[in-house]
Amino acid sequence: NAGVTQTPKFQVLKTGQSMTLQCAQDMNHNSMYWYRQDPGMGLRLIYYSASEGTTDKGEVPNGYNVSRLNKREFSLRLESAAPSQTSVYFCASSGGGQPYNEQFFGPGTRLTVL
Amino acid sequence: KQEVTQIPAALSVPEGENLVLNCSFTDSAIYNLQWFRQDPGKGLTSLLLIQSSQREQTSGRLNASLDKSSGRSTLYIAASQPGDSATYLCAVKGSYQLTFGKGTKLSVIP
Repeated sequence: NAGVTQTPKFQVLKTGQSMTLQCAQDMNHNSMYWYRQDPGMGLRLIYYSASEGTTDKGEVPNGYNVSRLNKREFSLRLESAAPSQTSVYFCASSGGGQPYNEQFFGPGTRLTVL
Repeated sequence: KQEVTQIPAALSVPEGENLVLNCSFTDSAIYNLQWFRQDPGKGLTSLLLIQSSQREQTSGRLNASLDKSSGRSTLYIAASQPGDSATYLCAVKGSYQLTFGKGTKLSVIP
C-alpha cells in the first residue's frame, strides 16, 4: 500500500515550457487535491476533484489545468511555465465524498522555473 | 475568507519538556481540524484529526483539543524527544478544502 505517489520528485523548467505532474493513490479515495507550498505563504489549494469526473478551482488556479484521469489518478498541467510557479507541489487524497475525511499527502514535487 | 494563525512561528525546547502549539482560525463553520507534521524536504504526515463535534483526540504522546466556538486548537506534546523536531501545521476543513496555517517549527534540543 503506497498511499499517495507523485512523479517526478524534482523538475527544472525554462520559462514557457510545459509539463504535467502526476499523482496516483491506491486507497480507493474519491477526492483528490493539488496544493502548492511557498515560503511565507503556507500551503494553498490549486484545484481539487471531489469525485471521478469532476474538478473545481481552488484558491490559486491561474496558470494550471487538471485532469482526473480515473479514480486513482489526478494530474496537474502547467501549459506555459513562469518563474512565479517555482514551488513545491503536493497532491493529496481523502476517502469518500464527505468533507470530514482525513487528507493524506504525497511526498511532493519540487519545481524550479528559470 | 478563513484565516489560520499558528503561534509561535518557531519554538526551541530541551528534551523531555512538555509543550503546547497553538492554532487559531477566524471562521468557526468548519467540518474538522487536522494537525500535520512536516520534516525538511518531505511531505505532510497526518498526526491527528478532530471532527467539529469532538473536543479532543489523542495519539500516543500527542493530544489535540478543539474549541470551535472560540476558533482555537492546541497540540500538546508530552515528554518531547529530538525526533519530534519538525514543522507542525494546523489545517481547518471548510467545504472540500483545507486552509493551512504557516506552521510552528519545533526544535527539541538533546
